[in-house]
Amino acid sequence: GQQLNQSPQSMFIQEGEDVSMNCTSSSIFNTWLWYKQDPGEGPVLLIALYKAGELTSNGRLTAQFGITRKDSFLNISASIPSDVGIYFCAGQGGATNKLIFGTGTLLAVQP
Amino acid sequence: DAGITQSPRHKVTETGTPVTLRCHQTENHRYMYWYRQDPGHGLRLIHYSYGVKDTDKGEVSDGYSVSRSKTEDFLLTLESATSSQTSVYFCAISDGRGAQGEKLFFGSGTQLSVL
Repeated sequence: GQQLNQSPQSMFIQEGEDVSMNCTSSSIFNTWLWYKQDPGEGPVLLIALYKAGELTSNGRLTAQFGITRKDSFLNISASIPSDVGIYFCAGQGGATNKLIFGTGTLLAVQP
Repeated sequence: DAGITQSPRHKVTETGTPVTLRCHQTENHRYMYWYRQDPGHGLRLIHYSYGVKDTDKGEVSDGYSVSRSKTEDFLLTLESATSSQTSVYFCAISDGRGAQGEKLFFGSGTQLSVL
């Protein structure tokens, strides 16, 4: 089936550092979504992207829809302890047009 | 937060027993989903519903059944639980506006342990 490769799997950083993570696919997607999951909770939608090349921000978070439509990137600037959690990408499109989730990036921020 | 309630939040059961998880929404959204979350696999779709009594299989549907008799309730049943079904189960809803992609809103999850 379709797969999304999300990297890195985990990141351990110091408060104040910038963070970058990405998702790549072998299929073209029409929509990219980025979610954050806090411990013990369900994922919460952060950013939605609908056009190739689109760059969208939500506070300190910026996400981009790759030009090839096969990848997406999420950047977090000036990280803070509450940024801790698992970040998931999700893409919709391809043969099934179903929403496919990446395997997640675990972010740990040391104060 | 979207009005999604999952029950129970935690469940421990024995192999071979039936288990039903409930998802209740107050948003009147048409689409409801059941996902499972496992380390290294992310979120995988089990079943989904596109209306009352209208359901379809996801990528990991074996061993699971669902029912939706009302817009607000979506039940996931494990007919005979196995240890491989130990997981965290999430319900999600969407209004299904396809042109804008499927923006899913998730519940808080059910931790299920099958011993």
